[in-house]
Amino acid sequence: AQSVAQPEDQVNVAEGNPLTVKCTYSVSGNPYLFWYVQYPNRGLQFLLKYITGDNLVKGSYGFEAEFNKSQTSFHLKKPSALVSDSALYFCAVSHHYGSGNTGKLIFGQGTTLQVKP
Amino acid sequence: GAGVSQTPSNKVTEKGKYVELRCDPISGHTALYWYRQSLGQGPEFLIYFQGTGAADDSGLPNDRFFAVRPEGSVSTLKIQRTERGDSAVYLCASSLTWGSKANEQFFGPGTRLTVL
Repeated sequence: AQSVAQPEDQVNVAEGNPLTVKCTYSVSGNPYLFWYVQYPNRGLQFLLKYITGDNLVKGSYGFEAEFNKSQTSFHLKKPSALVSDSALYFCAVSHHYGSGNTGKLIFGQGTTLQVKP
Repeated sequence: GAGVSQTPSNKVTEKGKYVELRCDPISGHTALYWYRQSLGQGPEFLIYFQGTGAADDSGLPNDRFFAVRPEGSVSTLKIQRTERGDSAVYLCASSLTWGSKANEQFFGPGTRLTVL
C-alpha cells in the first residue's frame, strides 16, 4: 500500500534561516510526488511536483524539493524563510494515469511550519 | 481564471439528516476528486470521476456516501443519515489528465460539515 510519512508535527525556524520539512514515502513503481501548502481558512495550494528528470525541483514562493530515490524521500526546502511562510504543509504521492492508476493523492499527516521574526 | 468552487462553505446538520455538498471544478478539467480532511489529519481520498463516471470510489467509507457528476462538470457529494463522525472538511479538486499539468490537482476551499 502507498503511504507518506511526515515525521515532524511542527518545524520552527527563524526568519532568514534555511528551512527543511521532511517527507518519506512508500510506493511501488515510480511515484509522482507533491507538496501542498494550506493557510488558515483557505484551500490547499499546489507548491511543486516531481514527475521525472532532475531530482531537484523548484516551485512557487522560492520553495524547492529534492527527490532521493535511495532514501525514498522528498524533503521541502527554502534557503531563507519568511514569516509569511508559516502554514501547514502536506507531502503527497500518486501515480500517473493509466494502467489502473487514477492519479489520486495519498497525503501525509502534515507539518506545521512556524517562522519567527 | 476561476478556480474550484464549493458550496456551501459551512454546513451544520443534525444526526440522521441528509446533506448535499457541491463542487464546481475548473472549466475543462475532466478529472474530479473528493477528499475528506478531519481535524489534524491530511486529506483522505474518497472518490474520483473521469468525465461523468466514478472511476474509483474505493475511498467512500460506507454506503451512506454517494457522489454524482451527471454532465461531467459539477459534482455533488451526498451523505445520508449523517453521523457525528462524518464531521470534517470535505475538499474537492480537479485536474487535467494530459499534458504538462496532468496530475496537478487544484483544490477548492472546502465545505466544513458539522453533524450535531
